[in-house]
Amino acid sequence: DVKVTQSSRYLVKRTGEKVFLECVQDMDHENMFWYRQDPGLGLRLIYFSYDVKMKEKGDIPEGYSVSREKKERFSLILESASTNQTSMYLCATGQIYGYTFGSGTRLTVV
Amino acid sequence: AQSVTQPDIHITVSEGASLELRCNYSYGATPYLFWYVQSPGQGLQLLLKYFSGDTLVQGIKGFEAEFKRSQSSFNLRKPSVHWSDAAEYFCAVGPNRDDKIIFGKGTRLHILP
Repeated sequence: DVKVTQSSRYLVKRTGEKVFLECVQDMDHENMFWYRQDPGLGLRLIYFSYDVKMKEKGDIPEGYSVSREKKERFSLILESASTNQTSMYLCATGQIYGYTFGSGTRLTVV
Repeated sequence: AQSVTQPDIHITVSEGASLELRCNYSYGATPYLFWYVQSPGQGLQLLLKYFSGDTLVQGIKGFEAEFKRSQSSFNLRKPSVHWSDAAEYFCAVGPNRDDKIIFGKGTRLHILP
């Protein structure tokens, strides 16, 4: 089975901090995704990557950037964290036949 | 444009009762359809998927779903729910024009003892 590992389950950061959320997959998948999940809004796509060093904006990229230097690792970066970025962040990998998700990172910005 | 709708935000059923969660989609051709489950504080886990063939698909944890093209629906069912089924359930459809899967907003299932 494909495994997707998110480095932190819970994070608390201060407003203005630069925050890195890490995601690693253990299969040779090209596509990787970052979503945020908020009550009543479902999953919203922030960024995705279809190959090393390749990235495309999703539906809500503002305030975020990403990095994909190796195929197995996809990082989400909050350049200057704000309280409205408090959320659950989910990483996924896969293709149109189905995605595999990590366990999520619950980020609180205070 | 492709879309997926889960009409019920919350559903409450008694333990042992049957369950049906609704999912409707908008799609120009035969879609790929999925149901995912998310337990509290966890990521999403695939329950089942439909690509083609038999319109009744079986999944894990005793769930099944039926694809009805005429109704543009892919409802999830379970004959008898257990307290451990309390979770949020997401229907998804793909691929969209960007070759991605689109997720519904989810239905939260509550189980009464």
